[in-house]
Amino acid sequence: NTKITQSPRYLILGRANKSLECEQHLGHNAMYWYKQSAEKPPELMFLYNLKQLIRNETVPSRFIPECPDSSKLLLHISAVDPEDSAVYFCASSPNNERLFFGHGTKLSVL
Amino acid sequence: GDQVEQSPSALSLHEGTGSALRCNFTTTMRAVQWFRKNSRGSLINLFYLASGTKENGRLKSAFDSKERYSTLHIRDAQLEDSGTYFCAAEASSNNRIFFGDGTQLVVKP
Repeated sequence: NTKITQSPRYLILGRANKSLECEQHLGHNAMYWYKQSAEKPPELMFLYNLKQLIRNETVPSRFIPECPDSSKLLLHISAVDPEDSAVYFCASSPNNERLFFGHGTKLSVL
Repeated sequence: GDQVEQSPSALSLHEGTGSALRCNFTTTMRAVQWFRKNSRGSLINLFYLASGTKENGRLKSAFDSKERYSTLHIRDAQLEDSGTYFCAAEASSNNRIFFGDGTQLVVKP
């Protein structure tokens, strides 16, 4: 899905700080961050609708979302933990309905 | 998740055969989506249904909100169909999206 771009694709971190970026070119109102570990289902981390944080699921405080405009979404990570190793997917949807996922960022914590 | 029960958890098919995946819901869902996570790790949209059935090539999906289930049928399976399939349903009560635990499909020659 080239209409939702995520960067970087792969990320290997020690205990550094890093930001994941997502941009959607679909004109959708809602944007999401999901975390997927191994073959488990995606778990919702954050949901924004029209730049407003609608749902902030219970995630560690080292993950901080930012939505600078309705087409962009950032996820700032500080002092990562080995349990954070996973694929982080950005998704968007029109009116909180059908989900469209980006390619994901695979985070590996050393 | 608790709201969505997906089965089977794993499935092995020979090329050219078919089978069905199923998601049962404990509450009324407004719509359902089916995804495949491919070998590259991408989540591919397969179907989005608010009711009835849809067909796309060798895949067919059905959703019955009243009976609280959805199915995904695969026919004439090919090697590239291998991957993990997830259903995701949107609850009518609060619009939250709940994922099934996934079905790991392996298609063998």
